[in-house]
Amino acid sequence: KQEVTQIPAALSVPEGENLVLNCSFTDSAIYNLQWFRQDPGKGLTSLLLIQSSQREQTSGRLNASLDKSSGRSTLYIAASQPGDSATYLCAAMTTDSWGKLQFGAGTQVVVTP
Amino acid sequence: NAGVMQNPRHLVRRRGQEARLRCSPMKGHSHVYWYRQLPEEGLKFMVYLQKENIIDESGMPKERFSAEFPKEGPSILRIQQVVRGDSAAYFCASSPHQPGRPQETQYFGPGTRLLVL
Repeated sequence: KQEVTQIPAALSVPEGENLVLNCSFTDSAIYNLQWFRQDPGKGLTSLLLIQSSQREQTSGRLNASLDKSSGRSTLYIAASQPGDSATYLCAAMTTDSWGKLQFGAGTQVVVTP
Repeated sequence: NAGVMQNPRHLVRRRGQEARLRCSPMKGHSHVYWYRQLPEEGLKFMVYLQKENIIDESGMPKERFSAEFPKEGPSILRIQQVVRGDSAAYFCASSPHQPGRPQETQYFGPGTRLLVL
């Protein structure tokens, strides 16, 4: 059974610092690993999707890496801004899960001006 | 192209009442997923439906919960005789294709916040 863990649960950094968010998963038989952003009271916004054959994906200030052998993914956010304050969720889709996304509990990020 | 729509956005029910949550997938999407987010927890899969079919309901509680996705109209998540522990955010997601494509993502709606008094 796939288990997804995110550490730390919360993170506070001053504006301009780089953010590093960690996600670990127990079953390496995945189709992909996704990172989402969730704002309070809102839905989920997909940030990056890394396919199982890929090592990383980049979009603007965001970069996500995937290491299936160690069961880890890391989301880097460069030069953080107050607008980056949100909860970040990672989710794995395993090959036997038939569309079921397995989510971590999230990392709550606060970027202070 | 409108995104995934859910209504109501907020729903208050008293213990013992029924809750009906609606989800309209994105245009052209025939695959719908329901997830539940309990306070301070991550999202948990509940059920996966295609038009008129339940494909995987392994995450649904055995009693009081049911889901449907009729040929016409939105997908409905129904909770009978609600209890306080049902208070949560319920998210619907949709996708255009059958699961199993590595590049496939699910598009999420804004969620319905259910509060049981």
